[in-house]
Amino acid sequence: GEDVEQSLFLSVREGDSSVINCTYTDSSSTYLYWYKQEPGAGLQLLTYIFSNMDMKQDQRLTVLLNKKDKHLSLRIADTQTGDSAIYFCAESIKGYSTLTFGKGTMLLVSP
Amino acid sequence: DGGITQSPKYLFRKEGQNVTLSCEQNLNHDAMYWYRQDPGQGLRLIYYSQIVNDFQKGDIAEGYSVSREKKESFPLTVTSAQKNPTAFYLCASNKETGELFFGEGSRLTVL
Repeated sequence: GEDVEQSLFLSVREGDSSVINCTYTDSSSTYLYWYKQEPGAGLQLLTYIFSNMDMKQDQRLTVLLNKKDKHLSLRIADTQTGDSAIYFCAESIKGYSTLTFGKGTMLLVSP
Repeated sequence: DGGITQSPKYLFRKEGQNVTLSCEQNLNHDAMYWYRQDPGQGLRLIYYSQIVNDFQKGDIAEGYSVSREKKESFPLTVTSAQKNPTAFYLCASNKETGELFFGEGSRLTVL
C-alpha cells in the first residue's frame, strides 16, 4: 500500500540550508508534493515535481527526486525564521486521486 | 479572490451533539476532500467527492457524514458516533493535476 515517511523534526540556524527528506513506497507515484503549514492554518503548496523529473528549482527551493530509492528531498537555501513551519511530503498516482501525506517535519529556525 | 472558505474556525461541542463544518470553494474544482489532523499523525482522509451527488469514504469515515448537493459546497457532519472528535479539520479541493488547495481549517473541541 501507499506509505510516506518523513523525519519529525529539524532544527537549523538562520542563514543555513535546510534539507527535509521523504521516502515513499508506491512506485506508481506520478506527482510528489511539498506543502507548508504554519501554526493554526491550512496547508500551502510550495512546489511539486513530476515523477519523470530528477530536480526542480524555484527560487530558494530545490526538490530532488531519486526514483530508484523512492526518495524525495526539499532543500531551502538561506533559511529564514519565517520558514519555521511543518512541511508535508505527499504523493499521488494520477490526477483527481487522493493524496497520501507523510506525518510532517517540523522545521525550527533559530536566529 | 478564489479560494476555499471553512467555517467556523473554532467550534466547541458537548458530548453527544452532532456538529456540521462548512466548506465552500469558488475555484470551480470538481473534487473536494475532508482531512482530519491530529498532533504527530499527519493528515488522514475522512471523505472525498469527485462529482456532485457522489462521495466516497476515506480511511477514517466512521462517525462522520457528508453531502455534495452543489459543486461549491461539501459540508462535514461530525456525529455523536465519532468517539474522539477533538481535532483540526481541513477541507481541500483539486483540479486535474492533483494539486490540492486547502482551507484554513476548523478546530473542533469536545467539552
